[in-house]
Amino acid sequence: GAGVSQSPSNKVTEKGKDVELRCDPISGHTALYWYRQSLGQGLEFLIYFQGNSAPDKSGLPSDRFSAERTGGSVSTLTIQRTQQEDSAVYLCASSLWDRLYEQYFGPGTRLTVT
Amino acid sequence: SQKIEQNSEALNIQEGKTATLTCNYTNYSPAYLQWYRQDPGRGPVFLLLIRENEKEKRKERLKVTFDTTLKQSLFHITASQPADSATYLCALFRGGFQKLVFGTGTRLLVSP
Repeated sequence: GAGVSQSPSNKVTEKGKDVELRCDPISGHTALYWYRQSLGQGLEFLIYFQGNSAPDKSGLPSDRFSAERTGGSVSTLTIQRTQQEDSAVYLCASSLWDRLYEQYFGPGTRLTVT
Repeated sequence: SQKIEQNSEALNIQEGKTATLTCNYTNYSPAYLQWYRQDPGRGPVFLLLIRENEKEKRKERLKVTFDTTLKQSLFHITASQPADSATYLCALFRGGFQKLVFGTGTRLLVSP
């Protein structure tokens, strides 16, 4: 079956603009995660969804970051008023509700803020 | 907070040898410890998971050990091949927090 898909694969934006990143999880996976990977850094947890609700938003770096999930499927990560330090690869992962530790990742969106 | 240490220097080995990568963590022992492979420009790919009450897990040429006393996991690739060249990430999952905490990864280079 299809894996996790993300779009766009690459996004270049000017500082101050808003961006939307999309994640389409594996069908049947109720849990969805967003991570960020900066150059030379490990994956940094951003937010976790179980169904459409986000019980853990503790990793969002600032109030410029928000995420939503609709229909228990597609999720969108929005970054408002982008800053250069937002440049990173944004990775989405999904898992079954009873195997949250076994996460399957998408290819990521490379965001460059100029 | 939990810290995970992986050797930041690349590991260079010859084809056919066994590669051994190390993951050390501080603080609490996780419910699960996992290893992922990441190729350039791609997302991490899940390889193996070991539970806190397990000492060793094997899958084909891969072997993971887990020592909760030493707070360390070792990841072995036997009969290594150039296609095994990638970055390998260690990740911990703690029940109740519902998220993975990743190390920065170790790059493995297998020469023909």
